[in-house]
Amino acid sequence: DQQVKQNSPSLSVQEGRISILNCDYTNSMFDYFLWYKKYPAEGPTFLISISSIKDKNEDGRFTVFLNKSAKHLSLHIVPSQPGDSAVYFCAAFIQGAQKLVFGQGTRLTINP
Amino acid sequence: KAGVTQTPRYLIKTRGQQVTLSCSPISGHRSVSWYQQTPGQGLQFLFEYFSETQRNKGNFPGRFSGRQFSNSRSEMNVSTLELGDSALYLCASTLLGQGWTEAFFGQGTRLTVV
Repeated sequence: DQQVKQNSPSLSVQEGRISILNCDYTNSMFDYFLWYKKYPAEGPTFLISISSIKDKNEDGRFTVFLNKSAKHLSLHIVPSQPGDSAVYFCAAFIQGAQKLVFGQGTRLTINP
Repeated sequence: KAGVTQTPRYLIKTRGQQVTLSCSPISGHRSVSWYQQTPGQGLQFLFEYFSETQRNKGNFPGRFSGRQFSNSRSEMNVSTLELGDSALYLCASTLLGQGWTEAFFGQGTRLTVV
């Protein structure tokens, strides 16, 4: 029962262009959605979040969009930089459950 | 401020053995969660502890257990190891444990079962 899904295992983008990572979910009870970034041999680091009552949150080069009717969120990175190459995990949080539900991850590669 | 510390970083065990992993959260953080990361499965929630009490548990067999001490340090134990238990085990700590606040992850313990 995969409640959070990232259907693209990998994505390759040219440096300077926009990277768009997608995530779908099935549980309408999620309160927050988050993106984490993970480099090899390191733990995930928090990138950006969005409350379920909003449809957009922006932080520098990173913007997360939430479409509740479609149960879909996306992370936009503009412009993409080589240091953005990592695995990105989409996650969702239910306040009452006190746990994060993660997607399978998307490996982003930024090509020079 | 020290981050989340997990020990050991790497571990090799044989089938049937048991293993104990340790997690020291960020000072002042009272909630500790454990996750298992395997290729293609993302991070799977194991359990969450707050003030020495397990508040939530994921869909893992009873061979997986954990505990939290009064100083918020946490351990997880896996008994009767199976090859499929090979994974990266990640620990995350949060400050308040109520509502969502940023979860900080440790570097993980890479467990290999042979």
